Amino acid sequence: NAGVTQTPKFQVLKTGQSMTLQCAQDMNHEYMSWYRQDPGMGLRLIHYSVGAGITDQGEVPNGYNVSRSTTEDFPLRLLSAAPSQTSVYFCASRYRDRGHYEQYFGPGTRLTVT
Amino acid sequence: KNQVEQSPQSLIILEGKNCTLQCNYTVSPFSNLRWYKQDTGRGPVSLTIMTFSENTKSNGRYTATLDADTKQSSLHITASQLSDSASYICVVSPNSNYQLIWGAGTKLIIKP
Repeated sequence: NAGVTQTPKFQVLKTGQSMTLQCAQDMNHEYMSWYRQDPGMGLRLIHYSVGAGITDQGEVPNGYNVSRSTTEDFPLRLLSAAPSQTSVYFCASRYRDRGHYEQYFGPGTRLTVT
Repeated sequence: KNQVEQSPQSLIILEGKNCTLQCNYTVSPFSNLRWYKQDTGRGPVSLTIMTFSENTKSNGRYTATLDADTKQSSLHITASQLSDSASYICVVSPNSNYQLIWGAGTKLIIKP
C-alpha cells in the first residue's frame, strides 16, 4: 500500500491564482480530511469527508473547496490564493479500530503565496 | 475554550539522555489523548493513545502518562537516539469523532 499520497510537494503561487492540491489513499478509508499547519500553531482542520459524495467544513474552510467523487481521492482547491494561505497542507485518512480511530497522514504540500 | 498547551516549545538534549515533554489541556468532555511524532518534512505519526481510564501507555522507548483529574499528560523518552529528533504533538479528542484539538508541539533536538 502506498498509504496517503499528496502532490505536489512544493508549490509557489501568485496572489489571485487558483490551484488544486491532490490527495489519494489506497486503504479504502471512508474518512478523509485536510489540515493546514502554521508555525507555532496546532494543525487546523479545513474540510473533511465521511465518504464519497459527502463533505463538510472544518475550523478554517474559507478560501478552500473540496469534493469527494471517489473513496480514494479528496482534492483541495484554492479558489483565489492569498498570502495568508501560505502554509503546509496535510491530507489524512482514518478508520475505526477497536473503538478508536487510526489516522494516517500524507507527506504534506508546502505552499507559498507571493 | 478547548485548548491544548505543550511545554517546552523546544528542547535540546544529548544522545542517550532521557527527557519528558508536557501537555496540559482544557478540553471537555474528554474522549482520548494521543501523542504524535512528526519528523521534519513529514506528516504526523501516532505514537500512543490513552482513554480516560488509562494512565500510562508505552511504545518502545516512549511512555505516555495521563492524569485526567489534573488534565495533564507527559511523554517520556528513554535513552534518546538521534532519530528521536522531531516535533511531538499532543492531541485531545472530545466525545465527537471528528473534532480534534491539536497542541502546537514540542520540537526536540538530539545532539550527538
